[in-house]
Amino acid sequence: DQQVKQNSPSLSVQEGRISILNCDYTNSMFDYFLWYKKYPAEGPTFLISISSIKDKNEDGRFTVFLNKSAKHLSLHIVPSQPGDSAVYFCAASFSNAGGTSYGKLTFGQGTILTVHP
Amino acid sequence: DTGVSQNPRHKITKRGQNVTFRCDPISEHNRLYWYRQTLGQGPEFLTYFQNEAQLEKSRLLSDRFSAERPKGSFSTLEIQRTEQGDSAMYLCASSPSGLANYGYTFGSGTRLTVV
Repeated sequence: DQQVKQNSPSLSVQEGRISILNCDYTNSMFDYFLWYKKYPAEGPTFLISISSIKDKNEDGRFTVFLNKSAKHLSLHIVPSQPGDSAVYFCAASFSNAGGTSYGKLTFGQGTILTVHP
Repeated sequence: DTGVSQNPRHKITKRGQNVTFRCDPISEHNRLYWYRQTLGQGPEFLTYFQNEAQLEKSRLLSDRFSAERPKGSFSTLEIQRTEQGDSAMYLCASSPSGLANYGYTFGSGTRLTVV
């Protein structure tokens, strides 16, 4: 049962344009969502996160949008740079009863982003 | 602190042999996680510790797999009687007590090949 899905295996964009990576989830208990970037032969690196009480979070060129009713989140990268070329994973978690702690992450399958100069 | 360290980086073993991997987390992180990643898939949760206590184990973790975190510092993941299906990247991550605000910090992984 794939609770977090990234339906686009790959995405190719031109340098300077916007990259939009999408992610869908099925478990309504998820209340925290994260994006990770992974280069070959390295572990995933945390990029940006969003709590379910928000619908948008920005950090520099990266913005994550959350649509809880559609159980959908997206990562926007503007402007895209060749160094952004990597595999991007979305992940989801849920908190304890007090909302103070999170446990395991459930990851999507990943999307390979290629940014062409 | 140089981050999460995993050893070895690569391991090739014959089917049926036992293997052990080590993870050294960031020193002030009391949570430690193990994930497994196969080609074309995202990391899959295996187990996690808070200090020395193993709090959750995935159904993926068969009885051939065992993880320990003695004294709440480094952790080891042992696979007994390896099978070809165990070939994967094994990732370790650490975090402060489940505070996900900054995400986990992952190590570079141990790539296991069972021949």
